[in-house]
Amino acid sequence: DIQMTQSPSSLSASVGDTVTLACRASQDISNFLAWFQQKPGKAPKSLIYAASNLQSGVPSRFSASGSGTDFALSISSLQPEDSAIYYCQQYSSYPITFGQGTRLEIK
Amino acid sequence: QVQLQESGPGLVKPSETLSLTCTVSGDSISSYYWNWIRQPPGKGLEWIGHVYHTGSTNYNPSFKSRVAILVDTSRNQFSLKLSPVTAADTAVYYCAKDVGGAYSTWGQGTLVTVSS
Repeated sequence: DIQMTQSPSSLSASVGDTVTLACRASQDISNFLAWFQQKPGKAPKSLIYAASNLQSGVPSRFSASGSGTDFALSISSLQPEDSAIYYCQQYSSYPITFGQGTRLEIK
Repeated sequence: QVQLQESGPGLVKPSETLSLTCTVSGDSISSYYWNWIRQPPGKGLEWIGHVYHTGSTNYNPSFKSRVAILVDTSRNQFSLKLSPVTAADTAVYYCAKDVGGAYSTWGQGTLVTVSS
């Protein structure tokens, strides 16, 4: 199985800040990577697919990059509603696997 | 607008069968891959498997031979069966639509507790 490792596990930032979340795959997954946002008690929401493509309706404050094994999700002009857990997911090979998540707190 | 809705028992006894259905509205199930993902309380996401409208499936090997995902195109539904279950299968179960790797639409999730 491909292991997905996210860092940091948690971080705290202020409204208006820019943060970058990292995701590393245990082997080359090309650009077969997605990012999700999950708020308490809610289903995950798709943010990014194919490593850098913004899902329809997602604010342009969200951006992502990477290929191969190293990926990043950036959120600029942080808003209070960005407080959530963020997961990366690889769909390069079966079984599809998720990272353990990064918890983002907005101060 | 596509909507997915999970349904099924919220309580299952150990060693029995967990059965859930995902009803798709606003879209035809006769395209794309349809997935089941679960999340134990306070933990991360785990992909269970998916089914194509033809009935073709892929499963997470961690579930070995315990899992089956079926599609019913006449009802625009797909289902999950997991047997036998243990307390470790207690989780929120989500169904999701996969469009070329983008899990664009999810159900709200349903909590299944395994307990006697």
